Amino acid sequence: AQRVTQPEKLLSVFKGAPVELKCNYSYSGSPELFWYVQYSRQRLQLLLRHISRESIKGFTADLNKGETSFHLKKPFAQEEDSAMYYCALSDAGGYQKVTFGTGTKLQVIP
Amino acid sequence: GAGVSQSPRYKVAKRGQDVALRCDPISGHVSLFWYQQALGQGPEFLTYFQNEAQLDKSGLPSDRFFAERPEGSVSTLKIQRTQQEDSAVYLCASTLGGIAGYEQYFGPGTRLTVT
Repeated sequence: AQRVTQPEKLLSVFKGAPVELKCNYSYSGSPELFWYVQYSRQRLQLLLRHISRESIKGFTADLNKGETSFHLKKPFAQEEDSAMYYCALSDAGGYQKVTFGTGTKLQVIP
Repeated sequence: GAGVSQSPRYKVAKRGQDVALRCDPISGHVSLFWYQQALGQGPEFLTYFQNEAQLDKSGLPSDRFFAERPEGSVSTLKIQRTQQEDSAVYLCASTLGGIAGYEQYFGPGTRLTVT
């Protein structure tokens, strides 16, 4: 069974500090990994996916198949980064059923 | 263009009542998903449609839950004889294609409270 684990429910950092949101997964096939974000009073939206290898709003995430991790990183946190972040996984070879983690709330302290 | 819309946004039901939740996906999107998000949890998959075909309903928690998408666009999630454990936010998402890697576009959700 596929599973996504986000060990931190809440992560508080000061503005300008580095951010790392942890995500580990278990999956026997070839996974697609995503980070979704939900800002206050907004709908859930895609932040980035590993296949595109892009940096969005200064965030990056590297898929480490050896450690089965997909941690989200940003070198300097901004107040507008405060939001709920969900790591998610789907099967690369199949359709898009997505398994989400329980989410980490990022709080950036001014 | 318009995004995914859901109605109602909030629904209060007494235990035992039936409810129907509606999802209007983005026009032209082939795939449609329903998720259930309990308080403090991530969204959990309920069911998936490709056009009008329901290809996966493995996430539906009981036979009280039923979903349909008869014309391949609007979808309805119906819950019969609601129970308190059904209280959650129900999210709908749509995507352009059926293969993995496409971005899922989410609706605002329907918050169901069963009293």
